[in-house]
Amino acid sequence: DIQMTQSPSTLSASVGDRVTITCRASQSINSWLAWYQQKPGKAPNLLIYKASSLESGVPSRFSGSGSGTEFTLTISSLQPDDFATYYCQHYYSYPLTFGGGTKVEIK
Amino acid sequence: QVQLVQSGAEVKKPGASVKVSCKASGYSFIDYYIHWVRQAPGQGLEWMGWINPGSGATNYAQKFQGRVTLTRDTSISTTYMDLTRLRPDDTAFYYCARSPVPAAFMTWGQGTLVTVSS
Repeated sequence: DIQMTQSPSTLSASVGDRVTITCRASQSINSWLAWYQQKPGKAPNLLIYKASSLESGVPSRFSGSGSGTEFTLTISSLQPDDFATYYCQHYYSYPLTFGGGTKVEIK
Repeated sequence: QVQLVQSGAEVKKPGASVKVSCKASGYSFIDYYIHWVRQAPGQGLEWMGWINPGSGATNYAQKFQGRVTLTRDTSISTTYMDLTRLRPDDTAFYYCARSPVPAAFMTWGQGTLVTVSS
């Protein structure tokens, strides 16, 4: 199974900050990576697919980059609505696996 | 609009089975796979398997092989997740999600809490 490792597990930031979350795969997954945002009590919501493609309706302050084994999710200017937990997920092979999550908290 | 609507919360005893439904609307039901993902309270996300609503073909995570069965009823655009021999550590929110394969999960159901307790 491909292991997905996210860092950091928790991140404290202020409104307006630039935020970067890293996701590493235990083997190459090409660009078959997605990022999701999850708020308490809600289902995850797709932000980025194929490592860098922005899902329709997602604000442009979210961006993704990377390929192979190293990926990043960047929020260019953190907004109040962005305080949530973020997960990466590969879809290169089965079983599909997720990173452990990064909780973005208010500083 | 595209929606996946799941059945309500369940409370089960250890050893019992649970069947959760996921009704699709707003798109062609047979054109997208339905995956099931679970999340224990306060924990991360765990993929369980998928079903191809068009053919009925399935693919399960090895961890759940023999305990989970995914089925569908195309006449009502609904998929079902059946989990048997429940244990307390099966207590979790269970989500359905749709995707073209292979692809990211573009739409999620609202989640169904399954509580396993004696």
